Amino acid sequence: AQRVTQPEKLLSVFKGAPVELKCNYSYSGSPELFWYVQYSRQRLQLLLRHISRESIKGFTADLNKGETSFHLKKPFAQEEDSAMYYCAFSTGAGSYQLTFGKGTKLSVIP
Amino acid sequence: EAGVAQSPRYKIIEKRQSVAFWCNPISGHATLYWYQQILGQGPKLLIQFQNNGVVDDSQLPKDRFSAERLKGVDSTLKIQPAKLEDSAVYLCASSLYGGATDTQYFGPGTRLTVL
Repeated sequence: AQRVTQPEKLLSVFKGAPVELKCNYSYSGSPELFWYVQYSRQRLQLLLRHISRESIKGFTADLNKGETSFHLKKPFAQEEDSAMYYCAFSTGAGSYQLTFGKGTKLSVIP
Repeated sequence: EAGVAQSPRYKIIEKRQSVAFWCNPISGHATLYWYQQILGQGPKLLIQFQNNGVVDDSQLPKDRFSAERLKGVDSTLKIQPAKLEDSAVYLCASSLYGGATDTQYFGPGTRLTVL
């Protein structure tokens, strides 16, 4: 079954410390991978996608097909990074529906 | 540009009652999605429309849930009758063309509580 695993429900880091939010997926093909973020009292929104190979707000994510992972990283956490982060993937076939993980709540301690 | 609009924002009903949610996508977006997000979980796709046709409703509990997108714009999601386990946030999203790498834009959600 297609599945996304985010092993940490909550991750707390100090301001200025590196951040790594883990994401593993279960799919035999080549998925399209995304990170969505929800800040307090705001809508769920796209943070970045694998295909764009971009850095958004200092965050990057690298697809590792061997480990079926798409971890989100940032070298220096900021207080405004505190939010709920969801990893998601699309199979790239059929309805292209997004399968989301359960999310990780990032808390940056000042 | 205006974002995805949803109403109502909150709804409290008793089990076995009916409820309906409304969504207005971003203008020009062909694809519309309804998600169910239970507390502590990620969003789960219920149904996907491409214009006014259904692309995927494999996870929609069709014995009690129904959805329509007349004229390929607004959409309504209905639950009849509601069960306690339907308590969740119902999210509507839209995207330009529904492709694999397409960005989905989410509405604020409707928080449903079934007592």
